Amino acid sequence: GAVVSQHPSRVICKSGTSVKIECRSLDFQATTMFWYRQFPKQSLMLMATSNEGSKATYEQGVEKDKFLINHASLTLSTLTVTSAHPEDSSFYICSAPAMSALGLTFGAGSRLTVL
Amino acid sequence: GIQVEQSPPDLILQEGANSTLRCNFSDSVNNLQWFHQNPWGQLINLFYIPSGTKQNGRLSATTVATERYSLLYISSSQTTDSGVYFCAVGLNSGGYQKVTFGTGTKLQVIP
Repeated sequence: GAVVSQHPSRVICKSGTSVKIECRSLDFQATTMFWYRQFPKQSLMLMATSNEGSKATYEQGVEKDKFLINHASLTLSTLTVTSAHPEDSSFYICSAPAMSALGLTFGAGSRLTVL
Repeated sequence: GIQVEQSPPDLILQEGANSTLRCNFSDSVNNLQWFHQNPWGQLINLFYIPSGTKQNGRLSATTVATERYSLLYISSSQTTDSGVYFCAVGLNSGGYQKVTFGTGTKLQVIP
């Protein structure tokens, strides 16, 4: 149980285009999901908290107009990187809290490369 | 915000050796998890351990919340243990748990 599916696993796009990443909780409902970003050889940094039915909460320094988050249902959150640039190339990972005794469950991550 | 430091940053072990990884955090937390990130980036949940000691096969973890640290023990290490180990601490913030990751320990187990 407590599986989080993330898609796509890899995406390459041209500079200036937008990319959407999906995060789904497969066997549980998640009113809250979290989006992280990881640059090479670094730790994971929380970007934003996705809240079902309301606006996302962004961490300091994260541009909300660039990283659009939509949490339209109890099992799906999407992150759209708008007008992507090479500096947005990174590993993006979503997570959701399943049961309190399990903590956070993570998706497999999406590696974005912007040319 | 809360600071989460892990040590050592890098560790090379001979297969079969034991090791201890440490996670120090700067403030009281509500929960703590240990993760193993494999070479493909997948985060594998090892332990959810806000306090006390847990064991799972060759791995065990201890969290002393009052002293703000946690330890991950790896015994009889195998090459498949290689990767980066993260601790992540959770703190209640505005009605939800805000999780902060540690700096990570990169482990390489050589045959």
